[in-house]
Amino acid sequence: SQTIHQWPATLVQPVGSPLSLECTVEGTSNPNLYWYRQAAGRGLQLLFYSVGIGQISSEVPQNLSASRPQDRQFILSSKKLLLSDSGFYLCAWSLKGLDNQPQHFGDGTRLSIL
Amino acid sequence: AQSVTQLDSQVPVFEEAPVELRCNYSSSVSVYLFWYVQYPNQGLQLLLKYLSGSTLVKGINGFEAEFNKSQTSFHLRKPSVHISDTAEYFCAVNQPGRRALTFGSGTRLQVQP
Repeated sequence: SQTIHQWPATLVQPVGSPLSLECTVEGTSNPNLYWYRQAAGRGLQLLFYSVGIGQISSEVPQNLSASRPQDRQFILSSKKLLLSDSGFYLCAWSLKGLDNQPQHFGDGTRLSIL
Repeated sequence: AQSVTQLDSQVPVFEEAPVELRCNYSSSVSVYLFWYVQYPNQGLQLLLKYLSGSTLVKGINGFEAEFNKSQTSFHLRKPSVHISDTAEYFCAVNQPGRRALTFGSGTRLQVQP
């Protein structure tokens, strides 16, 4: 069966510091991968999605970037964090080829910026 | 463009009472519809999905949802809730040709003893 792992589970960082959140998927090949942010009391905002290695689409302009160095690895980064980057970050995957496939989520990373 | 509206941000309900969480969508083409549940400090778990066929869809944990094309709705229901159903519930929509789901803002279900 497929599993998705995100780490770390929680992170406290000072303003201006760099960020790297990692997500890996096991048990499937060539998945679509997604990064979402969930601000407190709000819904999910799609940040990035990827259909393959090195292929990243950005949904909103922001202080963050994403990379996909390997088929089942998706990394969310920032060179300098802002206070507004605080939130709950979720990685997800879905099967490729069919638009009716659900997305499957990791357990998330809670990021607090001080 | 597609969008999802969850009309209630919070729904308080007593244990063993029925509940309905409302979801309306807007799209000019056929859609695929999903409900997810999120427990505190966890990711989202798929409850059920509507792709085609029967408009009444049954999911996990005793939940079901009904697709109503004329009203562009996909309301989630459970006949008798438990304390353990307390969570945030998200409705989501996708349509052919799009790669990512569009989520509603969520409804917090609070089950009280």
